[in-house]
Amino acid sequence: AQSVTQLGSHVSVSEGALVLLRCNYSSSVPPYLFWYVQYPNQGLQLLLKYTTGATLVKGINGFEAEFKKSETSFHLTKPSAHMSDAAEYFCAVSEASGTYKYIFGTGTRLKVLA
Amino acid sequence: SQTIHQWPATLVQPVGSPLSLECTVEGTSNPNLYWYRQAAGRGLQLLFYSVGIGQISSEVPQNLSASRPQDRQFILSSKKLLLSDSGFYLCAWRRGQGSNQPQHFGDGTRLSIL
Repeated sequence: AQSVTQLGSHVSVSEGALVLLRCNYSSSVPPYLFWYVQYPNQGLQLLLKYTTGATLVKGINGFEAEFKKSETSFHLTKPSAHMSDAAEYFCAVSEASGTYKYIFGTGTRLKVLA
Repeated sequence: SQTIHQWPATLVQPVGSPLSLECTVEGTSNPNLYWYRQAAGRGLQLLFYSVGIGQISSEVPQNLSASRPQDRQFILSSKKLLLSDSGFYLCAWRRGQGSNQPQHFGDGTRLSIL
């Protein structure tokens, strides 16, 4: 069965430091991949998505992610963390075979230290 | 542009009382619709999804039910709430064609059971 693993339920970085949030998936076929951000007491907001084409995907708020098929990974990065980046981040996978469902990771809470 | 509305934003209910949460989508037709629950400190649990009017798929057997009386309306209900029903309920939609489409989320309903 399809699964998504987000390593590190909590990640802390200093303001201005690199943000790296990890996401690995298990799939026998290349899936569609998404990153979402959730601020407290709000819904999930789409940061970026990979469907086909360029494997380095740029999203909103300066985030980007790279699809690496050989590593079955889709890690989220941002060169310089800002205090406003503190939130919970979810990786999600949709198989390319026409499913209606998405598999979400358990989330990573990012803390940005001043 | 498309928008999704969920209400109420917060709800406090006694154990054993009924529940009705409503979600509507504007600006699109025949969307796929989803209900998720997010328990404190945990990831997203898919409860129901719908690919058309009157078509409901249940992911988790429980005392909740869902209905889709109109194309862009999705309702989550319960006849008798349990303490374990507390959580943050999220409605989401996506375009009907293609699993490469991202899901878009509402702002959620915080449900507390006393």
